[in-house]
Amino acid sequence: EPEVTQTPSHQVTQMGQEVILRCVPISNHLYFYWYRQILGQKVEFLVSFYNNEISEKSEIFDDQFSVERPDGSNFTLKIRSTKLEDSAMYFCASSQTGRNTGELFFGEGSRLTVL
Amino acid sequence: GDSVTQMEGPVTLSEEAFLTINCTYTATGYPSLFWYVQYPGEGLQLLLKATKADDKGSNKGFEATYRKETTSFHLEKGSVQVSDSAVYFCALAYNNNDMRFGAGTRLTVKP
Repeated sequence: EPEVTQTPSHQVTQMGQEVILRCVPISNHLYFYWYRQILGQKVEFLVSFYNNEISEKSEIFDDQFSVERPDGSNFTLKIRSTKLEDSAMYFCASSQTGRNTGELFFGEGSRLTVL
Repeated sequence: GDSVTQMEGPVTLSEEAFLTINCTYTATGYPSLFWYVQYPGEGLQLLLKATKADDKGSNKGFEATYRKETTSFHLEKGSVQVSDSAVYFCALAYNNNDMRFGAGTRLTVKP
């Protein structure tokens, strides 16, 4: 069964370092997303991506964040200069049709720990 | 803004017990409602959904009915199994780009 894969599963980094989280969405999906969940809190929307551009982003997704689909298969989230409060589980998701009608397929998540 | 509130966990039940996980929502329009489940070590998976008022979503013995009058979408299962142990997330999607999740409820089922 097709699935969304994410790497790394866990990354530990020092504050101020750049981090890139990688995702391989399901191959025929058109919409891509990043969410995050700070420990014990809600799963929060970060950004959606369609047709090679950001279609929407939340207020969390500030200038420190960027997304890219560099090669038609990977979908990456970059945090330019990590802060302690960026420590969270980051989930990638993809969908064929968009979220309010279609199913979102999630990866297993990448846990980021910023020290 | 639109939001979802679900009951806090953790919830611990014995096998074959009845399960209810409460979820209420606040929305300015008519969102679709979802329950996602996250099994240990895995990503979130769609469990069931309902796209309009009075719709009932069902899957794997779980059910939830979209109640507009009480703005609720409570998850129920008549007889839980150990394999149902997971974290359950209620969510709404009001437009194509803003799915809102609850905080998640951890369910542990003991044999």
